[in-house]
Amino acid sequence: DQQVKQNSPSLSVQEGRISILNCDYTNSMFDYFLWYKKYPAEGPTFLISISSIKDKNEDGRFTVFLNKSAKHLSLHIVPSQPGDSAVYFCAASVSNSGYALNFGKGTSLLVTP
Amino acid sequence: EAQVTQNPRYLITVTGKKLTVTCSQNMNHEYMSWYRQDPGLGLRQIYYSMNVEVTDKGDVPEGYKVSRKEKRNFPLILESPSPNQTSLYFCASRGGWASNQPQHFGDGTRLSIL
Repeated sequence: DQQVKQNSPSLSVQEGRISILNCDYTNSMFDYFLWYKKYPAEGPTFLISISSIKDKNEDGRFTVFLNKSAKHLSLHIVPSQPGDSAVYFCAASVSNSGYALNFGKGTSLLVTP
Repeated sequence: EAQVTQNPRYLITVTGKKLTVTCSQNMNHEYMSWYRQDPGLGLRQIYYSMNVEVTDKGDVPEGYKVSRKEKRNFPLILESPSPNQTSLYFCASRGGWASNQPQHFGDGTRLSIL
C-alpha cells in the first residue's frame, strides 16, 4: 500500500514560472519529509527537507510547504529553469524508526524555454 | 570526492545465473541500503544495514541477499535471478541509522534478467 503518493506523473512549466509539485501521505507517524531530484542515468540527489515541527523550509529557489492536518506537502520552484527538468521524488520517514524512506512514484518535471 | 559507487552499471544475464552488484562508499557512513526502481512504483527498499554485520529486510527482500563485512561495502546478491528482478537498482548511504541526514545515492545499476 503506497503511503506516499505523488498523483501527477508529469508536469510541464514555462521557464521563469513557478513549478508546484505535490505529495500526499497517509501515515500520520511520518515526521520528516524530503524531496529528491533525479536526472536520467544518475542516482537521486537530495534537494530539500522539512521536519514536522515546521510548515515551511526554503533554500534558494526551492521551498517546501507542509500541511500536517491535510497530510500534504508541496515543493515550489521559483523561478523554474530548464535545468530543473528532472524526476522529483517525495519521501517520508519516521524519526524514531531510523528514518527509513518511503518514496512516492515521482513526478517528471519539464521546464520549457 | 564523496561518493557511492556501484558496479556494474549495466548487466544483461540469464535466469538462474548468480550475480553480485557491488556498492562502495567513501564517507565512512554506518547506514547503507539498496533500492529498486520500477516504472509506476517509485523506489522500494530491498535491504538495509545499520552497521557492519547488521542487516535487515526492507519492503521487497524476496530473492535477494546482502552482506556487510566491511563498513564501506554493501553488495547485493541475486542467488538465482528471475525476470521479475529486471529493474534499476540503487545503493545509498548516510551517516547513521538515527541520523536525519539525507541519503547519498549511487548512479544505479540496470539489470536485465532474460
